[in-house]
Amino acid sequence: RKEVEQDPGPFNVPEGATVAFNCTYSNSASQSFFWYRQDCRKEPKLLMSVYSSGNEDGRFTAQLNRASQYISLLIRDSKLSDSATYLCVVNFWSNFGNEKLTFGTGTRLTIIP
Amino acid sequence: EAGVTQFPSHSVIEKGQTVTLRCDPISGHDNLYWYRRVMGKEIKFLLHFVKESKQDESGMPNNRFLAERTGGTYSTLKVQPAELEDSGVYFCASSQDNRAGLTEQFFGPGTRLTVL
Repeated sequence: RKEVEQDPGPFNVPEGATVAFNCTYSNSASQSFFWYRQDCRKEPKLLMSVYSSGNEDGRFTAQLNRASQYISLLIRDSKLSDSATYLCVVNFWSNFGNEKLTFGTGTRLTIIP
Repeated sequence: EAGVTQFPSHSVIEKGQTVTLRCDPISGHDNLYWYRRVMGKEIKFLLHFVKESKQDESGMPNNRFLAERTGGTYSTLKVQPAELEDSGVYFCASSQDNRAGLTEQFFGPGTRLTVL
């Protein structure tokens, strides 16, 4: 079983629609949670951190359910520029005292005009 | 401010050859990480430096891989001898602080390695 599981998609949605991605993680001791965005042949970039209380940044809302080990990302009023691969990322604070990020395979999103 | 830079952007080598990848972190970032994405798989952690010291190299696949960070500035990742399964994109990332969940890792553009 993968440490971080995501639906690879692709998700093809019309511009203006709302789209939701889900992610589950296996390590219950995981401590930090993130959504990264990766454009084609580019590096991953942090989109937002995810907190238990839920957090919102403009059209993006992230939620964390620790009991179910489940993370979600909601994009409202989707734009063409939202087309990218969205990576679910989990951090487990290891005995080495480092931030070793664990990535899902990513969910590819294409916004259709 | 300059971001994380990596060199080369692409490398095509034959099986058995040696390749050295370079990463220059953001100035002032003590933490430097190497990650790798092989085709069809997720990005995976290779190792972590704090300044010039290896903090965690648990993700290094085997002893054909050698990472160094002399002087605590830039880092190199050498693959010797390269095998077909080493093909993929090698990302470097750096961060300023090491408090769990409180610092962002900034990624470089990656080096795309192809072993023929």
